[in-house]
Amino acid sequence: NAGVMQNPRHLVRRRGQEARLRCSPMKGHSHVYWYRQLPEEGLKFMVYLQKENIIDESGMPKERFSAEFPKEGPSILRIQQVVRGDSAAYFCASSLDREETQYFGPGTRLLVL
Amino acid sequence: QKEVEQNSGPLSVPEGAIASLNCTYSDRGSQSFFWYRQYSGKSPELIMFIYSNGDKEDGRFTAQLNKASQYVSLLIRDSQPSDSATYLCAVVGGPGNQFYFGTGTSLTVIP
Repeated sequence: NAGVMQNPRHLVRRRGQEARLRCSPMKGHSHVYWYRQLPEEGLKFMVYLQKENIIDESGMPKERFSAEFPKEGPSILRIQQVVRGDSAAYFCASSLDREETQYFGPGTRLLVL
Repeated sequence: QKEVEQNSGPLSVPEGAIASLNCTYSDRGSQSFFWYRQYSGKSPELIMFIYSNGDKEDGRFTAQLNKASQYVSLLIRDSQPSDSATYLCAVVGGPGNQFYFGTGTSLTVIP
């Protein structure tokens, strides 16, 4: 039973480019969460999605960031016009239900040059 | 007020000692509590969860929950250098029954 999968594991972008991060939840999980972790800092909640719905995006920056979880395929976190401050580890987690244990993927390390 | 608070540490204990990690939460109605471990450069991994008041043991790990005082702790017996990591407390609670993570406590076990 495969765990949460994220790709790419490492992503390098120049300022102004777009970054697309993908997350495939564990089999049977329909709840997906995105977190950002800056170097030497804690985990910051960004967005919580269910299939085709954004449930809570209170942690998402108002501009340049968007997320989706389509009916088919992985969840996508999209960052437009990246800036150096976007450099961080982005973790995806999934759960069976809202209050159930969240299982984390390996993360995507984004580096903006 | 933050939903979940942890002492960021760093906490240092000698090998073989008991490491005690603490976490407090603000929502008295919270029902589910989790401890995750995160090694440097890696993703968080679940250690254990606890729902009921009292102690729950799993190997060298014991989670303790006190809902009246709104705290949950993690004890690591016979600490090993391989236990050196950041430990994240997570609580399900708040207005929307959401998952809230603390900022984590950094633990170093000294050989």
